[in-house]
Amino acid sequence: EADIYQTPRYLVIGTGKKITLECSQTMGHDKMYWYQQDPGMELHLIHYSYGVNSTEKGDLSSESTVSRIRTEHFPLTLESARPSHTSQYLCASSEYYLAGDDEQYFGPGTRLTVT
Amino acid sequence: AQKITQTQPGMFVQEKEAVTLDCTYDTSDPSYGLFWYKQPSSGEMIFLIYQGSYDQQNATEGRYSLNFQKARKSANLVISASQLGDSAMYFCAMREGESSGDKLTFGTGTRLAVRP
Repeated sequence: EADIYQTPRYLVIGTGKKITLECSQTMGHDKMYWYQQDPGMELHLIHYSYGVNSTEKGDLSSESTVSRIRTEHFPLTLESARPSHTSQYLCASSEYYLAGDDEQYFGPGTRLTVT
Repeated sequence: AQKITQTQPGMFVQEKEAVTLDCTYDTSDPSYGLFWYKQPSSGEMIFLIYQGSYDQQNATEGRYSLNFQKARKSANLVISASQLGDSAMYFCAMREGESSGDKLTFGTGTRLAVRP
């Protein structure tokens, strides 16, 4: 069973608020990822990290930012939430192999609604 | 062009029967990996099975098997003896070689409903 946690699970917030979605993993994985998923749709990578102090933007442009100060922690921040940010946000982690069956372990997700 | 194509938005299967979920992919990288994930209504993503591009045999994990046809660029998921708990969204994903940075590209998913 994967040990990757996300809080909060559900968040309803007003426009203009600053929010931080938390993601932590206890597996010591170097690689971590944030995906955005609209209901019933595919996942889109918005941020990833290969280790401490490493962050990269993903394939889908996002107004959010991330930080990786500790291996186990990869928070995502929205400085000013808008209704267009309403979505599910999934955090994942994996071991650092160059190739192989290193699947990504996913957290339970945060369902964000911006009113 | 879509890198991962899942042409079945929704599928029904009778309990205890087998079902095949289709997935085709597009890559010019000789080294890649294909994954299937299950997403129940609760939202988490559950890893099911992996197939590497150089693997000679089709992957199997319990009731899940992957029908890998490299020349046709297809990686269909076969679920045998369907159970009610198999009702969920299923996503096919691909990781291309080192050039992709180990990122996963997901398909649009197939929603499977198992009928009692």
